[in-house]
Amino acid sequence: AQKITQTQPGMFVQEKEAVTLDCTYDTSDQSYGLFWYKQPSSGEMIFLIYQGSYDEQNATEGRYSLNFQKARKSANLVISASQLGDSAMYFCAMREGRNQGGKLIFGQGTELSVKP
Amino acid sequence: GAVVSQHPSRVICKSGTSVKIECRSLDFQATTMFWYRQFPKKSLMLMATSNEGSKATYEQGVEKDKFLINHASLTLSTLTVTSAHPEDSSFYICSAVSGTLTDTQYFGPGTRLTVL
Repeated sequence: AQKITQTQPGMFVQEKEAVTLDCTYDTSDQSYGLFWYKQPSSGEMIFLIYQGSYDEQNATEGRYSLNFQKARKSANLVISASQLGDSAMYFCAMREGRNQGGKLIFGQGTELSVKP
Repeated sequence: GAVVSQHPSRVICKSGTSVKIECRSLDFQATTMFWYRQFPKKSLMLMATSNEGSKATYEQGVEKDKFLINHASLTLSTLTVTSAHPEDSSFYICSAVSGTLTDTQYFGPGTRLTVL
């Protein structure tokens, strides 16, 4: 069965430093997609970054990069130069299959706190 | 682009009444919409998948007669919580996927339901 695991319930990072949020996954499918979303206290889910299982390069979007290690089934999110506004819940999610419209399974989430 | 709205953002109702939540894709056509439920400090739990013009597919354990979903057009899906009870109080979030954009799910801002 498909499963996403985030083992860090909470993380602290000093402003301007980099932080890595862990995510491991389990699937028997060869084709899948991995996502990271940010959820501030307002509740909205903000899409950050996407990695397809067949993508050879690690995805990057501005200060966000995804450290994709397929053999280890991990998809860690790296946030560089942390800002106070990065304080939020972060969710890793997986979609099985290549079809658009596939449902997402979410991890438990990691609450990131950025200290000034 | 890829904006999803939800209405209302907050609703308080009496036990036994029904509440309708709307989810709209504002600048794209959504072939598929998803409805999630989220408890405080917890992950998102998928309730159902909604495809335009067809019946919704409910996840195991979700009562389809209690949570009525209608995907009437390519830009609108509604979730009706029928005969609401205090245990239905939660944060409900919808997401939408376009057939032409990337396979990223774009989320609405969520609706906080409180049943007294």
